[in-house]
Amino acid sequence: DIQLTQSPSFLSASVGDRVTITCRASQGIDSYLAWYHHKPGKAPKLLIYAASTLQSGVPSRFSGSEFGPEFTLTISSLQPEDFAIYYCQQFSGYPPTFGQGTKVEIK
Amino acid sequence: QVQLRESGPGLVKPSETLSLTCTVSGSSVSSGSYYWTWIRQPPGKRLEWLGYVYYSGSTNYNPSLKSRVTMSVDTAKNQFSLKLRSLSAADTAVYYCARVAWELPPRFDYWGQGMLVTVSS
Repeated sequence: DIQLTQSPSFLSASVGDRVTITCRASQGIDSYLAWYHHKPGKAPKLLIYAASTLQSGVPSRFSGSEFGPEFTLTISSLQPEDFAIYYCQQFSGYPPTFGQGTKVEIK
Repeated sequence: QVQLRESGPGLVKPSETLSLTCTVSGSSVSSGSYYWTWIRQPPGKRLEWLGYVYYSGSTNYNPSLKSRVTMSVDTAKNQFSLKLRSLSAADTAVYYCARVAWELPPRFDYWGQGMLVTVSS
């Protein structure tokens, strides 16, 4: 199975901060990577797919990019509703797999 | 607005079979544009994809669970279901249903809020 490693696993930030989360794949996954936002008890929400395509309705402060085997999710200006857990997920290899998650908390 | 909701027992005994249903609104399970999937997250562990079912009934399961899992779709009720056999404590998890937009690139575009299933005697 393709392993996805996110860094950091935990991040403390303030409203208005620029935040970057990284996801590294154990092998090439082309651009078949998605990012999800999850608040426990609620439905996870798709933010980005194909590494950099913003899902319809998602605020433009979210963006995704890739550089070689590394993928990044950037939140340009953190908002109160953004404090959550973020997961990356790949669809290139079988089975689809997820990163371990990055928890973004209020500083 | 697309919504998915999981339903089923929250407590199941070891060795028994778990049966969960996902009720879909705002989208049709009969649509050829989507697959329907189950994902779970055991406490403190990663999200794990369990498998897909298509409106035709065709399925694709995670090899780690293939011998214990069955998924099906009920187009009349706009629902799809998961059965997981021979349960153990390791199957305790929050179970999510989700829609897979299969047009390349694929992605899990809508999820249910999940339900906790505990395997315990």
